[in-house]
Amino acid sequence: EVQLVDSGGGLVQPGRSLRLSCTASGFSFNSYAMTWVRQAPGKGLEWVSSIGVSGSPTYYADSVKGRFTISRDNSKSTLFLQMSSLRAEDTAVYFCAKDRDGGYGTFDFWGQGTLVTVSS
Amino acid sequence: EIVLTQSPATLSLSPGERATLSCRASQSVSTYLAWYQQRPGQAPRLLIYDASYRAVGIPARFSGSGSGTDFTLTISSLEPEDFAVYYCQQRRVWPQTFGQGTKVEV
Repeated sequence: EVQLVDSGGGLVQPGRSLRLSCTASGFSFNSYAMTWVRQAPGKGLEWVSSIGVSGSPTYYADSVKGRFTISRDNSKSTLFLQMSSLRAEDTAVYFCAKDRDGGYGTFDFWGQGTLVTVSS
Repeated sequence: EIVLTQSPATLSLSPGERATLSCRASQSVSTYLAWYQQRPGQAPRLLIYDASYRAVGIPARFSGSGSGTDFTLTISSLEPEDFAVYYCQQRRVWPQTFGQGTKVEV
C-alpha cells in the first residue's frame, strides 16, 4: 500500500526557516517524480515545487523561487522542502504528492498534509 | 501561466442527480488535464487524468471529457460521499496550475 506521511510543520515567525519532510513507503520511491502542493486556509490548491527521480531537474512556483528548496533522499525514501525567509502568505497546509507515471503533473497519491503557520 | 476557470463555483444538487462540472483553460492544454476530489479535512484524491482516464479505484459514475480549452467532469448519479470540492489541474506547461474549485453541495 502506497503511503506518504508529511511532517515538520508548525508555527514559525516571519523571516525564519522550516524544513518539511515526506516519508514514502509501498512503492519504488526512486522511480517517481515528487511534488509539493499547498493550500492556504479556506483556499484552493497551489502547486509549489517538483523534483525529478534523481534529484533533478527541479521546478518552483514564482511565489517561492529563491526561498524554497526541494530535495530528496532516495536511500531513505524521503522528500524534503526547505523553506526560508518565510512570509505570512506561506501559511498553508503543505501536501507531498507522488507523480503517477514517468512524467510530471498527475498526482495519484497524496500525503495527509502538514500545517505551516507563519506568524509573529 | 495558464489560468483554469471552473464553473459553477457551487453546484447544489441532491443524491441521485447528475452533476456536470466545467473547466476552461486560458490556452490549450491538449488533454493534459486532471480532476481531483477533496473532502473536508482530507487530501485531494485523483479522479481523472489526461482528460478522460479514470484513476485506479474510481467508480464508473465519474467520467471526464474534453480537449484543448474546454473540459467536463460528469458524475452520473451523485452518492452521499460525492458532495465535496472538485479541482481541475493542467500539466501541459510549467507552472502546473489548478482551477479555483467547484463545490458540490446538497
